[in-house]
Amino acid sequence: KQEVTQIPAALSVPEGENLVLNCSFTDSAIYNLQWFRQDPGKGLTSLLLIQSSQREQTSGRLNASLDKSSGRSTLYIAASQPGDSATYLCAVRDVSNSGYALNFGKGTSLLVTP
Amino acid sequence: KAGVTQTPRYLIKTRGQQVTLSCSPISGHRSVSWYQQTPGQGLQFLFEYFSETQRNKGNFPGRFSGRQFSNSRSEMNVSTLELGDSALYLCASSLEQGLYEQYFGPGTRLTVT
Repeated sequence: KQEVTQIPAALSVPEGENLVLNCSFTDSAIYNLQWFRQDPGKGLTSLLLIQSSQREQTSGRLNASLDKSSGRSTLYIAASQPGDSATYLCAVRDVSNSGYALNFGKGTSLLVTP
Repeated sequence: KAGVTQTPRYLIKTRGQQVTLSCSPISGHRSVSWYQQTPGQGLQFLFEYFSETQRNKGNFPGRFSGRQFSNSRSEMNVSTLELGDSALYLCASSLEQGLYEQYFGPGTRLTVT
């Protein structure tokens, strides 16, 4: 059974810092990996989708990498801003008893202080 | 293009009652998935609907059910509510079934008292 782990569970950084969020998964036979952002009490906003054949994806200040063989992905946020404060979730998609459902980690809660 | 919409946004129900939640996918999207989010368990997959048929189901009891209409809108129903059903219920839509990017709605916050 696929297990997705995100470390650290919480992170506090001053504005302007570059930071890295980590995601690991136990079964490397994935189809893709998606990073999401969730603001308190809100739904999920898709940030980046990386297909299993890709090594990285970039969107603005965000860069996500994928190392399928080692079961790891990182989300790099450049020049962090207070508006980046949110919970970041990674989710992998593989074939399981639940079809192509997303398997989520518990998230990293990020606080960027002015 | 409008995003995924969910109604109602908030619900308070009593143990033993039943509840129906609604989800309207992004226009043109034909697959709808439902997830439950709780502080303890995180996000867990409930089920996926495509072409009005349930394609996949997560590990939830039969009290949780759903359906999809011809316009791709979906509803989920929870019968005989338990305190542990209190959660944020999230709906996600994607273009087709399978490996497409999923887009989430704002969720319905259900509180069972």
